[in-house]
Amino acid sequence: KNQVEQSPQSLIILEGKNCTLQCNYTVSPFSNLRWYKQDTGRGPVSLTIMTFSENTKSNGRYTATLDADTKQSSLHITASQLSDSASYICVVSSFTSGTYKYIFGTGTRLKVLA
Amino acid sequence: KAGVTQTPRYLIKTRGQQVTLSCSPISGHRSVSWYQQTPGQGLQFLFEYFSETQRNKGNFPGRFSGRQFSNSRSEMNVSTLELGDSALYLCASAPLGGQGLDEQYFGPGTRLTVT
Repeated sequence: KNQVEQSPQSLIILEGKNCTLQCNYTVSPFSNLRWYKQDTGRGPVSLTIMTFSENTKSNGRYTATLDADTKQSSLHITASQLSDSASYICVVSSFTSGTYKYIFGTGTRLKVLA
Repeated sequence: KAGVTQTPRYLIKTRGQQVTLSCSPISGHRSVSWYQQTPGQGLQFLFEYFSETQRNKGNFPGRFSGRQFSNSRSEMNVSTLELGDSALYLCASAPLGGQGLDEQYFGPGTRLTVT
């Protein structure tokens, strides 16, 4: 069964600290993996998109990694800021029989404290 | 450039009624996708429209339908509302969408409450 699991479910860190969010998937065949940031009451915003051949992609203080062999991805946030408080959602897409499927993780809720 | 807009932002309906939600994509974008977000299930893909044609569909019952107009604006309709349809409905637009590496831009969503 195609699944995307994220951990931890929630996380609290102090401003300025680093953190890493995990995404494990069992989606096959794999097309690409995206990380989104969703602030409360707003739509998700794309952070990174990675294909099978990419193993690292950065967007400012956000760095995503992908290990296609172990089917794991992580999102590392460096020098966290209060504005990083949000939900982070991992999405894996799969292409079969001419159509795409999107499998979403349930997200990690991050809270950054001053 | 204006972002993705969705109307209405909030809606309260009664079980059995139907509802229509609207989405205006970013100018020039031809792909519009719809998602349902609930606390329990997270984000789930409903369908994607491209050039007025449904290109992709998630696993939702036929009560959920949509359409796209020639100006790329899209509407989503839910008939015979159930309590479980209470959710945030998000619309996302992309230049080409599909599984290209187009970035999707989400709107703020429509919060639907079914009583």
